[in-house]
Amino acid sequence: DSGVTQTPKHLITATGQRVTLRCSPRSGDLSVYWYQQSLDQGLQFLIQYYNGEERAKGNILERFSAQQFPDLHSELNLSSLELGDSALYFCASSRDRSSYEQYFGPGTRLTVT
Amino acid sequence: GNSVTQMEGPVTLSEEAFLTINCTYTATGYPSLFWYVQYPGEGLQLLLKATKADDKGSNKGFEATYRKETTSFHLEKGSVQVSDSAVYFCALINTGFQKLVFGTGTRLLVSP
Repeated sequence: DSGVTQTPKHLITATGQRVTLRCSPRSGDLSVYWYQQSLDQGLQFLIQYYNGEERAKGNILERFSAQQFPDLHSELNLSSLELGDSALYFCASSRDRSSYEQYFGPGTRLTVT
Repeated sequence: GNSVTQMEGPVTLSEEAFLTINCTYTATGYPSLFWYVQYPGEGLQLLLKATKADDKGSNKGFEATYRKETTSFHLEKGSVQVSDSAVYFCALINTGFQKLVFGTGTRLLVSP
């Protein structure tokens, strides 16, 4: 158990809908990262937050957004969902903005029908 | 840009066999290198890491050495167990960046 929690574990929704994925980092970790794992794209970095502020952006679509709250939990919002958004979404956390060790949660499996 | 190339899987071995999973990277500067493991239905677990050339990372009988001259970080284990069956990902983080760049993963299947 990495200490990173993600909810929900599974999510099934229809095209065009909006969903919110939640992540709680390990106790004491200030950085949160979001990754997408899909069969065709592999594991891809989406976005990083450090202590409430956006720190780095990767291949995140404009339909997707994220935030980190004062209690350090983070949410990833996915809107106008398409079939191709079906994937496993992982959250990871690290101690600070420069730490190279990232600890991953169990993931949320999103299925868009 | 930064990229990681892993050998195609699946790698199929019998219990107690020797394991090598090849990983090479392309990066500017001096990246840190990692191996992550993903067991069925679970998230990724950090298996081992190396932060500079010639460093050897090791954990649970697995080892990998950071070879700058060959830009490689091959994963090895002397004697695999059925419980090692999983997908193994090689990854890097480059200096000044926080995002992990992953390889495509290599599935390992160990039979009794």
